[in-house]
Amino acid sequence: AQSVTQLDSQVPVFEEAPVELRCNYSSSVSVYLFWYVQYPNQGLQLLLKYLSGSTLVESINGFEAEFNKSQTSFHLRKPSVHISDTAEYFCAVTTHGSGNTGKLIFGQGTTLQVKP
Amino acid sequence: KAGVTQTPRYLIKTRGQQVTLSCSPISGHRSVSWYQQTPGQGLQFLFEYFSETQRNKGNFPGRFSGRQFSNSRSEMNVSTLELGDSALYLCASSAGLAGSYNEQFFGPGTRLTVL
Repeated sequence: AQSVTQLDSQVPVFEEAPVELRCNYSSSVSVYLFWYVQYPNQGLQLLLKYLSGSTLVESINGFEAEFNKSQTSFHLRKPSVHISDTAEYFCAVTTHGSGNTGKLIFGQGTTLQVKP
Repeated sequence: KAGVTQTPRYLIKTRGQQVTLSCSPISGHRSVSWYQQTPGQGLQFLFEYFSETQRNKGNFPGRFSGRQFSNSRSEMNVSTLELGDSALYLCASSAGLAGSYNEQFFGPGTRLTVL
């Protein structure tokens, strides 16, 4: 079975400071990894994904995440946050294989609070 | 292309009642997955339907059920509601093709309150 652990439930940070949201996963088979963002009263939006290839993946709004297979981690980073980045962030995993991509396993979420 | 739509957006029920939630996927998508989001348990997978068949199932009691129609629209039903069923129910649609990655697109959710 797969599991995802987000190590911080809340991360307060000042505007323009760097941030790292930590995510570790457990799986005995190959996985796809994701970061989703949820703004208040909204559904989930895919922020970035790791499927294969380069272990560093980037989003269009400045976030990046690095897949580290040996440490089973997929931490999310941003060098300079904005007030508008305040939201809840979820790390998720699904396994390779036919019929599995419709089932995401999520971490508990990390609330990023960007302060002015 | 229209996104994933869920109806209703908000719902209030009392214990013991049953409820049906609806999800219309993105046009052309054949897979619909349902998730329950609560403050205590987080986001948990309920089930996935693909071409009218349940393809994956999470660890929820039999009071939670679903179905998918030939137009890929999906409904989930919860019978004999309990206070703990109060949650945001999210559905996600994808192309659902076997053997490859299929991005899931989420709807805005239905917030169910059980009194």
